Amino acid sequence: KQEVTQIPAALSVPEGENLVLNCSFTDSAIYNLQWFRQDPGKGLTSLLLIQSSQREQTSGRLNASLDKSSGRSTLYIAASQPGDSATYLCAVSRGAQKLVFGQGTRLTINP
Amino acid sequence: EAQVTQNPRYLITVTGKKLTVTCSQNMNHEYMSWYRQDPGLGLRQIYYSMNVEVTDKGDVPEGYKVSRKEKRNFPLILESPSPNQTSLYFCASRFFRSSRAPGELFFGEGSRLTVL
Repeated sequence: KQEVTQIPAALSVPEGENLVLNCSFTDSAIYNLQWFRQDPGKGLTSLLLIQSSQREQTSGRLNASLDKSSGRSTLYIAASQPGDSATYLCAVSRGAQKLVFGQGTRLTINP
Repeated sequence: EAQVTQNPRYLITVTGKKLTVTCSQNMNHEYMSWYRQDPGLGLRQIYYSMNVEVTDKGDVPEGYKVSRKEKRNFPLILESPSPNQTSLYFCASRFFRSSRAPGELFFGEGSRLTVL
């Protein structure tokens, strides 16, 4: 059974710092991995999708990497801003039927 | 604008009173799915649909029904709601070109349901 873990559960950093969020999964037979952002009481916004054949994806200040063999993905946020404060979730797909989500990392950027 | 729309966004109801949460997407996605999100338990899949008239159970289907009569709509039905179904519900959709290349998943804004 696929399990997805995100550590730490919460992270607080000063504005301007570069930071890394971690996501690990137990079954490396995945087809893709997706990173989401969730603001309190709101829906999930897709940030980056990495297919299993890719090593990384970039969008603006965000860079996500994928290492299937080690069962790990990282989300790198450059030059953090208070508006980046949110919960970040990763989810892995094996087939189209189901995503397995991590519990998320609650990120706070302090001005 | 590409979007997944859920209604109602907020609902307070009483035990046993049937309710339906609607979900509609305008992206011509084949795949649609319902999730519930609870503190400490994360997001759990309730039901999903690979296309019109094709639905299947997720991890927590008990107490819920779905239907997929049209490609754009995927309503979630609670025939006899109970307090343990109090939760934040999300509908999501994506393209399904092949099982080996699932597309990006798009979520609705969520429906907060309270069952008294």
